Amino acid sequence: KNQVEQSPQSLIILEGKNCTLQCNYTVSPFSNLRWYKQDTGRGPVSLTIMTFSENTKSNGRYTATLDADTKQSSLHITASQLSDSASYICVVSFHQGGKLIFGQGTELSVKP
Amino acid sequence: SQTIHQWPATLVQPVGSPLSLECTVEGTSNPNLYWYRQAAGRGLQLLFYSVGIGQISSEVPQNLSASRPQDRQFILSSKKLLLSDSGFYLCAWGRTGKLKGTDTQYFGPGTRLTVL
Repeated sequence: KNQVEQSPQSLIILEGKNCTLQCNYTVSPFSNLRWYKQDTGRGPVSLTIMTFSENTKSNGRYTATLDADTKQSSLHITASQLSDSASYICVVSFHQGGKLIFGQGTELSVKP
Repeated sequence: SQTIHQWPATLVQPVGSPLSLECTVEGTSNPNLYWYRQAAGRGLQLLFYSVGIGQISSEVPQNLSASRPQDRQFILSSKKLLLSDSGFYLCAWGRTGKLKGTDTQYFGPGTRLTVL
C-alpha cells in the first residue's frame, strides 16, 4: 500500500533553534518527493522537490534530504523564526505527472 | 506569472443544501487541475483531477462532483451537502514536466466549508 508517514506529529521549539522533521514512505514506483509548508488556513506552498537521484536540496534555511534506498526523507530547519510556525507536509509522487500521496503533516510551533 | 484563485474563502451551509466552489487559474494554458479536501487533523485527500476541458477523473466515491467548463476553470459541486462534507477544500494546478520528476502542483488559498 502506498503510504507516507511523518514524525513527529507536532513539535514545539524556541526561536533560533534548529529542528528536523522526518518522512518515511512506501510509495512505489517513486517519482519525486516534495516538502510543502502550509500556514494555518492557507494552501500549501512548495519548499523543495527531489527526484530519486537527488539526496539533498536547499531553499534558504530549509534543507531536505532523501535516501531512496531506505525510503526516508528529512526536512531540516536552521535558525528557526516565528514565521516558521506552520504545518510541514511530505508528499510523494508515485509516477510522473500523476497523483500525489500526502503525509499527515508535522505541526511546528516556534515560540519566542 | 501564474496565479490561482478560489472562492468563496469561507462558507457555512445547512445539510441538504447545494454547493458550488469555483477555482480559476491565470497565466498558463491547459493546466492539470485538482480538487483536494483536508479534514481537520488529517492529510490532503485528492477528490478529482482534470487534464483538459470536460475531462474529469474521480478518486473517491462521494457526494461531490466536478466540472471543467473552460480551460482554466474548475468547479466543485454538490446537490445535497452532508455533514461529512465539512472541511478545507483546496484547488491546485500543475503540469507534467518534460523532465522526469519536474512536475509540481501549486495550491490555491482554499475554501473553508462548514456544513451544519
